[in-house]
Amino acid sequence: QSALTQPPSVSGSPGQSITISCTGSTGDVGLYSRVSWYQQPPGTAPKLIIYEVNNRPSGVPERFSGSKSGNTASLTISGLQAEDEANYYCSSYTTSYTWVFGGGTKLTVL
Amino acid sequence: EVQLVESGGGLVETGGSLRLSCAASGFIFNAYNMIWVRQAPGKGLEWIAYVSGDGQYISYADSVKGRFTISRDDARKSANLQMNSLRAEDTGIYYCAREGFYSDLDVWGQGTAVTVSS
Repeated sequence: QSALTQPPSVSGSPGQSITISCTGSTGDVGLYSRVSWYQQPPGTAPKLIIYEVNNRPSGVPERFSGSKSGNTASLTISGLQAEDEANYYCSSYTTSYTWVFGGGTKLTVL
Repeated sequence: EVQLVESGGGLVETGGSLRLSCAASGFIFNAYNMIWVRQAPGKGLEWIAYVSGDGQYISYADSVKGRFTISRDDARKSANLQMNSLRAEDTGIYYCAREGFYSDLDVWGQGTAVTVSS
């Protein structure tokens, strides 16, 4: 149950695009399309923003998109806005009803 | 409105016990698998326990296996986490979440704080 690997921090200016990577293994990210992403502003509960690699729940802006290649999933936020500043976590289903999260990435909007 | 509300957190001594509850509303509770996730102060999210909608399948993270027990009460629409032999490293915010159709966690509670201190 090793955590997925994310960069500790990323930053970008308003209007720019950023990408957060999430690297796992052949037993989780590489094996399943059950990769999801969560946004967590400080002091609040996490919120689902991407499910099944690249699908957005209702109400999540189109600026948020996901992808996967091999053992690495990615979250891209285009047209950065100040309100996007938060911590972002990836997660993957693994085997036998278990999940694993990434360590989290702090996004700073400059 | 679909909602999850956790309760039961608090301050407990090392080696003590706590029972967390997660009250669900706004959806057909027994149709969904439920999960507990925790977050240590200043740290990331950690999946810790799962129970299937019919209660037949249960799993735990290695960090809590043998000490924590997840259960559900469909009549009361609640998912519970019995925590025994608590350690300082169990301190954090505990969230319950609903598993969506693609193994995502599509609904989260607001969390309940647990502090384990000697």
